[in-house]
Amino acid sequence: NAGVMQNPRHLVRRRGQEARLRCSPMKGHSHVYWYRQLPEEGLKFMVYLQKENIIDESGMPKERFSAEFPKEGPSILRIQQVVRGDSAAYFCASSPRGGSYEQYFGPGTRLTVT
Amino acid sequence: QQQVKQSPQSLIVQKGGISIINCAYENTAFDYFPWYQQFPGKGPALLIAIRPDVSEKKEGRFTISFNKSAKQFSLHIMDSQPGDSATYFCAASIEGNAGNMLTFGGGTRLMVKP
Repeated sequence: NAGVMQNPRHLVRRRGQEARLRCSPMKGHSHVYWYRQLPEEGLKFMVYLQKENIIDESGMPKERFSAEFPKEGPSILRIQQVVRGDSAAYFCASSPRGGSYEQYFGPGTRLTVT
Repeated sequence: QQQVKQSPQSLIVQKGGISIINCAYENTAFDYFPWYQQFPGKGPALLIAIRPDVSEKKEGRFTISFNKSAKQFSLHIMDSQPGDSATYFCAASIEGNAGNMLTFGGGTRLMVKP
């Protein structure tokens, strides 16, 4: 049973470009969470999605950031017009059901903005 | 308050010793307290978790102690091994229909010396 998949693992973008991060949850999981980890810090919640729905985006910046989890395909975290402060590791986690406590994390995407 | 405070930031232990990491929280609505282990370049992996209806949970060499009145919980790693060298994160969440995003502590970088 494959774990949570994220790609790309490393992404370099120049300031002003767009970054697209993909997350494929574990098989049978329909709940996805995105977290951001700044260097030497803990993970911070960004957004929680179920298939075709954003349930909670309270941790996501209001501008430039968006997320989706379509009926088919991976969940995507999109960052428009990236700035240096967006450089971080972005992790997604999946869970089999709402209210379930156990979240399984992917390997992360390390975004570097030059 | 959603914050979870973790200490120490870094810890050096001799092989065979006991590693102790502490966390404190403010929000009494938290009802799930997991610990995650993260190796460099990898995503966090669930290590062990506890709910507030018990004061201690043990799995192999890992033990969580939970003090509800003090709003504190800790991870004890017995007989620490060099392979335990990693960053450890405590976390907390609230069960709810809107999902259970995790609030993470700042992390503890553990080094076990041979």
